[in-house]
Amino acid sequence: SQQGEEDPQALSIQEGENATMNCSYKTSINNLQWYRQNSGRGLVHLILIRSNEREKHSGRLRVTLDTSKKSSSLLITASRAADTASYFCATDAGNTPLVFGKGTRLSVIA
Amino acid sequence: DARVTQTPRHKVTEMGQEVTMRCQPILGHNTVFWYRQTMMQGLELLAYFRNRAPLDDSGMPKDRFSAEMPDATLATLKIQPSEPRDSAVYFCASGRGSLNEKLFFGSGTQLSVL
Repeated sequence: SQQGEEDPQALSIQEGENATMNCSYKTSINNLQWYRQNSGRGLVHLILIRSNEREKHSGRLRVTLDTSKKSSSLLITASRAADTASYFCATDAGNTPLVFGKGTRLSVIA
Repeated sequence: DARVTQTPRHKVTEMGQEVTMRCQPILGHNTVFWYRQTMMQGLELLAYFRNRAPLDDSGMPKDRFSAEMPDATLATLKIQPSEPRDSAVYFCASGRGSLNEKLFFGSGTQLSVL
């Protein structure tokens, strides 16, 4: 059963704009991770945020976590055509395997 | 670059045939996971191992699916007999340490059962 649920399901933006994707989950978590999947490829880890962290940055990526609302957001600033991909959040409840959402399909138009 | 290797990349077979998918995890990783991806269900966890020992395979149909790790460099997922509803992309992923650390995914096996 899915734990995380991404929103929106699909997002289309112009190159240079910012892209924001959201993830909501149902039960308490230990960590939350974001992954990217290019078409026809495997998932690639982007960033991990722990339950006691509120914000994390990595290059053009900014992730926030609000455990009171059971939600996280992934912001990609100054998007590029190469950012076109599906983005997934994944959660765990401790020493348990990751459970993935169904993803947000991001299209960045040049 | 260290990577998870999956073979074959594509497999087309007929209903009732046996299918074996192979995965070589990254050297030194001690956790291995099998996920199945479909449009309808997204990514589903089928089975996982730590130090080659199976921890949980409750995510897969036991009557037709089996997952093994004959050695530290090879994980296999077998479907016998295959059915059209098994058509999906099957991913292997490996990780270090605990089950919730970041995962490294292979490129997947795209399976079509006719």
